[in-house]
Amino acid sequence: GAGVSQTPSNKVTEKGKYVELRCDPISGHTALYWYRQSLGQGPEFLIYFQGTGAADDSGLPNDRFFAVRPEGSVSTLKIQRTERGDSAVYLCASSLSPGSTDTQYFGPGTRLTVL
Amino acid sequence: AQSVTQLGSHVSVSEGALVLLRCNYSSSVPPYLFWYVQYPNQGLQLLLKYTSAATLVKGINGFEAEFKKSETSFHLTKPSAHMSDAAEYFCAVLTGANNLFFGTGTRLTVIP
Repeated sequence: GAGVSQTPSNKVTEKGKYVELRCDPISGHTALYWYRQSLGQGPEFLIYFQGTGAADDSGLPNDRFFAVRPEGSVSTLKIQRTERGDSAVYLCASSLSPGSTDTQYFGPGTRLTVL
Repeated sequence: AQSVTQLGSHVSVSEGALVLLRCNYSSSVPPYLFWYVQYPNQGLQLLLKYTSAATLVKGINGFEAEFKKSETSFHLTKPSAHMSDAAEYFCAVLTGANNLFFGTGTRLTVIP
């Protein structure tokens, strides 16, 4: 079946603008994760949803970052007043359910560039 | 808190040679460990995972990893490198909060 998809694949914006990044998880996966990967680094956890609710948002760097998953499927990561330091690849992953052995399947990412 | 450390940001091997990518973990509880591969302009793909069953884990594309508690290691190996193995490899540990903590990655170059 289809994997995790993310749109757009690339986003270029100006400092101070608002951006939305979208993630479509694998159908039937209840858990959804957002990670951020800066150049030369491994992915860093941002937020995790179980169903519609954010089960853990401890990785969000500040209150400019917000994510929603209103119907328990598609998720949107929202960044307000973007800064140059927000430039990174934003990765989305989903798993069948949150659990120790369930594989997290990753999407191709959205490359965000803030000028 | 759980974490992993990958030793060597770049590894080069000749085609046909042994691949060894190192990962050490830190965890106060039995860890669940993962190796992911990232090809250029592609998403992360799971190679293999350790979930406290057999200590020698076999994955896709001929890779395997051995969990060694005494050494707190989970090194990734492949007996014979292929050109198509050139990629970035990430070790990760599942945290208590059900998210993955990733290492900084090792870029593997295969020399023909």
